[in-house]
Amino acid sequence: GAVVSQHPSWVICKSGTSVKIECRSLDFQATTMFWYRQFPKQSLMLMATSNEGSKATYEQGVEKDKFLINHASLTLSTLTVTSAHPEDSSFYICSASWWGANVLTFGAGSRLTVL
Amino acid sequence: AQKITQTQPGMFVQEKEAVTLDCTYDTSDQSYGLFWYKQPSSGEMIFLIYQGSYDEQNATEGRYSLNFQKARKSANLVISASQLGDSAMYFCAMRLIQGAQKLVFGQGTRLTINP
Repeated sequence: GAVVSQHPSWVICKSGTSVKIECRSLDFQATTMFWYRQFPKQSLMLMATSNEGSKATYEQGVEKDKFLINHASLTLSTLTVTSAHPEDSSFYICSASWWGANVLTFGAGSRLTVL
Repeated sequence: AQKITQTQPGMFVQEKEAVTLDCTYDTSDQSYGLFWYKQPSSGEMIFLIYQGSYDEQNATEGRYSLNFQKARKSANLVISASQLGDSAMYFCAMRLIQGAQKLVFGQGTRLTINP
């Protein structure tokens, strides 16, 4: 079946530093990738949608300069949290789909803690 | 716009009993897909079942079935013969077939199976 690898699974960083999270589709070409954010005991909130080779589309209220998304190839998308602050601490999870697919496949998620 | 509503924050069920998790949705589009995902404490999103808006039969996958009532815009998940391992968060989600195709989630229901 379709597998999405996401890493790191957890990361702790100091305030002001940048953190990169990678999402790779291992056995399919991901034409579209989605990045979600989940606070404790809450639902998944879509941050942005990225299509291979084009700029990401951000949801309303998501700072595009803070959450940089790159989808440079059909198998890799990255989320960079720039100048991270404690309020950016959250669970970030990616998902991917390919053309014509109904079901999205999710990565295992990355837990970010900013000190 | 898409909206998913799950009105049960928590459910407690005895092992081996059946349980129904409620989900209602709202969209003006005619072509859409409805999904249920399970999220255990590890955070991974596990796909359970899919129902297309034009599917005439209710979807079933093993112990999971989706009670799709299009006129009422509801897509309830039924888990038969519940097991202790079913304890987790359950999310209902919807994806439009046309347009952005993003997956929008409901608030989630925490299911606890008691021995």
